[in-house]
Amino acid sequence: QITLKESGPTLVKPTQTLTLTCTFSGFSLFTSGVGVGWIRQPPGKALEWLALIYWDDEKRYSPSLESRLTIARDTSENQVVLTMTKMDPVDTGTYYCTHFDRTMFRGALEYWGQGTLVTVSS
Amino acid sequence: DIQMTQSPSSLSASVGDRVTISCRASQSIASYLNWYHQKPGKAPKLLIYAASSLQSGVPSRFSGSGSGTDFTLTISSLQPEDFATYYCQQTYSTPPYTFGQGTKLEIK
Repeated sequence: QITLKESGPTLVKPTQTLTLTCTFSGFSLFTSGVGVGWIRQPPGKALEWLALIYWDDEKRYSPSLESRLTIARDTSENQVVLTMTKMDPVDTGTYYCTHFDRTMFRGALEYWGQGTLVTVSS
Repeated sequence: DIQMTQSPSSLSASVGDRVTISCRASQSIASYLNWYHQKPGKAPKLLIYAASSLQSGVPSRFSGSGSGTDFTLTISSLQPEDFATYYCQQTYSTPPYTFGQGTKLEIK
């Protein structure tokens, strides 16, 4: 059974760096085609794709946020970490981590974490 | 980036109605199109993948069609639990795997 869970601060100040951790189980990030990604959703707004790290450690980012994002994996702990620098109130929202498998469902996202709400405010 | 445009942005319908939601890609994405619905406070749930494949456990009243740039999600007979926000997403080629802006389906 695949599960993912996000953790991190619920409140950050403007200009600070946000660090979120996704802890997963039920799959290996060493399996070909597999990845872990991050998606966010401002309150009342649409889903926004942020970043993805693949089984081979290749990383992909949203072009509009690439300069602020870093995604990395801790294989010993089955975790993926997302950092976002220079946080602004417009970055307020729920951040989800997701399981990705190119070989299944053509990359559609079957497994999601519960999401974690991050508020950016002074 | 590939832009995804959904229509309509919102929709009012009654239980038992047939409903269609459209999604258009800014370039061809073959059949790499997925549909999700999301209820308030919950993570999105996958309904349809690869444009027309029904995810396991999803009721057969949901169906998807299309290829290339134009796609449709159809709900054949709306049930009370179907009132939610619906999103399309493309997973063609390499990221970013963009989402549409969403369609809010409300009770009339």
